[in-house]
Amino acid sequence: AQKVTQAQTEISVVEKEDVTLDCVYETRDTTYYLFWYKQPPSGELVFLIRRNSFDEQNEISGRYSWNFQKSTSSFNFTITASQVVDSAVYFCALSERLYSTLTFGKGTMLLVSP
Amino acid sequence: GAVVSQHPSRVICKSGTSVKIECRSLDFQATTMFWYRQFPKKSLMLMATSNEGSKATYEQGVEKDKFLINHASLTLSTLTVTSAHPEDSSFYICSASRVPGNTGELFFGEGSRLTVL
Repeated sequence: AQKVTQAQTEISVVEKEDVTLDCVYETRDTTYYLFWYKQPPSGELVFLIRRNSFDEQNEISGRYSWNFQKSTSSFNFTITASQVVDSAVYFCALSERLYSTLTFGKGTMLLVSP
Repeated sequence: GAVVSQHPSRVICKSGTSVKIECRSLDFQATTMFWYRQFPKKSLMLMATSNEGSKATYEQGVEKDKFLINHASLTLSTLTVTSAHPEDSSFYICSASRVPGNTGELFFGEGSRLTVL
């Protein structure tokens, strides 16, 4: 069975601080896909990144970076120099196949204050 | 880019009425759509997988007769909450996978917030 754990329920930071959101996953599959989504207060899910299990390269996109480590089954997400607009709930998710269902973590609410 | 649209975004109804939520893929064909439910401050839980032209596959614990899913075309899936009750109040989100495609990205609708009085 697949499982995604986001141990941090809520994180509060002040603008310009760096923040890391943790994600630990469990799966028996050797091939799988990991995702991060952002859910702002309006409710829609915004796709941030997809990473397949064979690609352990870390990725940076602007102020966002992701650290994928298979050895610890973790796929952590770091926001550098956080901004108020980053305030949202962030979900880590796991899928065993492309175009398949996602198993979501419980989400981490990030509050960035001015 | 690909877009999935849900309608309505918000609906308030009286207990006992039925509510239909539409999920449309606007610029691609989706043979498979997924319906999720999100309770306040909770994660998204998969309700069912909707397949075009066939019956939906429901997750364990989801009442088929309560949550009717119809996927009549490659661009439209509907979720009907029948005889809604206050405990059905929730945020419902659909997602669709592109066919064909290799982005690996599921596209999500904007979500529909149902409030049953």
